[in-house]
Amino acid sequence: GAGVSQSPRYKVAKRGQDVALRCDPISGHVSLFWYQQALGQGPEFLTYFQNEAQLDKSGLPSDRFFAERPEGSVSTLKIQRTQKEDSAVYLCASSFGQGNSPLHFGNGTRLTVT
Amino acid sequence: QQQVKQSPQSLIVQKGGIPIINCAYENTAFDYFPWYQQFPGKGPALLIAIRPDVSEKKEGRFTISFNKSAKQFSLHIMDSQPGDSATYFCAVTSSNTGKLIFGQGTTLQVKP
Repeated sequence: GAGVSQSPRYKVAKRGQDVALRCDPISGHVSLFWYQQALGQGPEFLTYFQNEAQLDKSGLPSDRFFAERPEGSVSTLKIQRTQKEDSAVYLCASSFGQGNSPLHFGNGTRLTVT
Repeated sequence: QQQVKQSPQSLIVQKGGIPIINCAYENTAFDYFPWYQQFPGKGPALLIAIRPDVSEKKEGRFTISFNKSAKQFSLHIMDSQPGDSATYFCAVTSSNTGKLIFGQGTTLQVKP
């Protein structure tokens, strides 16, 4: 079945490197969310797209974080000059509609910054 | 400031027991209250959700109880099984954003 697909599953980066994390949402899903999940914590909102429009980026922790969804389907989360505190699982989720449509999560990318 | 507080942090029950996980929120604008289940190495998966116009919702062995005046809601798992061992997250959101705010999580272990 076609769920939300994220790649890579694991990424190890040296401090200062740039990384790009990819999300393929379920086909036809309008809404796309990025969340950050630290070890032993609940997911925390980063940013939200409705089609190609980034409607909310209030959760991005710094200007080193950037997300895009240029054609309203695949999305990329980019982190520049990675820091150790960026180590976390980055989760992507998509939903068919807006508002309270059920969110479908991918299995995440585990980023480790050394 | 935590917008949703979840307890307990961890829970151990015997097979067949009824674990109960609680969440409390502050903002009365929230109007959708889902529970998610997460296994190690996997993303959260929606279990069950409730809106504030009802006080209880049941789906299979999972029940949400909702107390609007107290701004609290809870998840009950009936006849719990070892396969229910996972981390459970409550979440809150409002219809005009769809942005989920998650609780801190409860790690449940169901012993055979």
